Amino acid sequence: QQPVQSPQAVILREGEDAVINCSSSKALYSVHWYRQKHGEAPVFLMILLKGGEQKGHEKISASFNEKKQQSSLYLTASQLSYSGTYFCGTEGRGTTDSWGKLQFGAGTQVVVTP
Amino acid sequence: GAGVSQSPRYKVTKRGQDVALRCDPISGHVSLYWYRQALGQGPEFLTYFNYEAQQDKSGLPNDRFSAERPEGSISTLTIQRTEQRDSAMYRCASSLFQGRVTEAFFGQGTRLTVV
Repeated sequence: QQPVQSPQAVILREGEDAVINCSSSKALYSVHWYRQKHGEAPVFLMILLKGGEQKGHEKISASFNEKKQQSSLYLTASQLSYSGTYFCGTEGRGTTDSWGKLQFGAGTQVVVTP
Repeated sequence: GAGVSQSPRYKVTKRGQDVALRCDPISGHVSLYWYRQALGQGPEFLTYFNYEAQQDKSGLPNDRFSAERPEGSISTLTIQRTEQRDSAMYRCASSLFQGRVTEAFFGQGTRLTVV
């Protein structure tokens, strides 16, 4: 089952903050975040493995609430380079979930303007 | 190689023809994944390999799709008797370790158009 991302799109001015949410209906082992710029391949940002764990990449951080099966990505003091589409990918922990199978959400388009 | 390499970058084929898409992963990477990405959507899992062994092919849409990685390096995704609904970007990714997904590096993809 594909995770659900919200919002679908967000427009920010440089320096503003934003939060992107990723929610799954199934128990999760991990959540992965990728950013894809137009016409390019998705690029890895971070993996979250434990409930409540937070990680960071530049001024981008994320949290993972294992119990709620939710993750949030925080864009802090956004820069022009943060523009792109952000995807969360989830790895299930159920007995029928094979290792190595990531289910990606539909993406959140982020536009940062000067 | 320096990154994941896919070929061809673009492929236009007539309905009913077979196509083979190639992926050359980063040297030494154990796991290799195939995804399909529709415009404006996230990557959709197709299948993945650890070394030469296909671990999961549950995402392959039907039996017209197959994949192999015979020597544990280069992989080929084959679509037989292509249909217009097969048109999409096909992406390959590789990661260093097997098991639970670690950082995956995506290739530039092959844009397949079936006319």
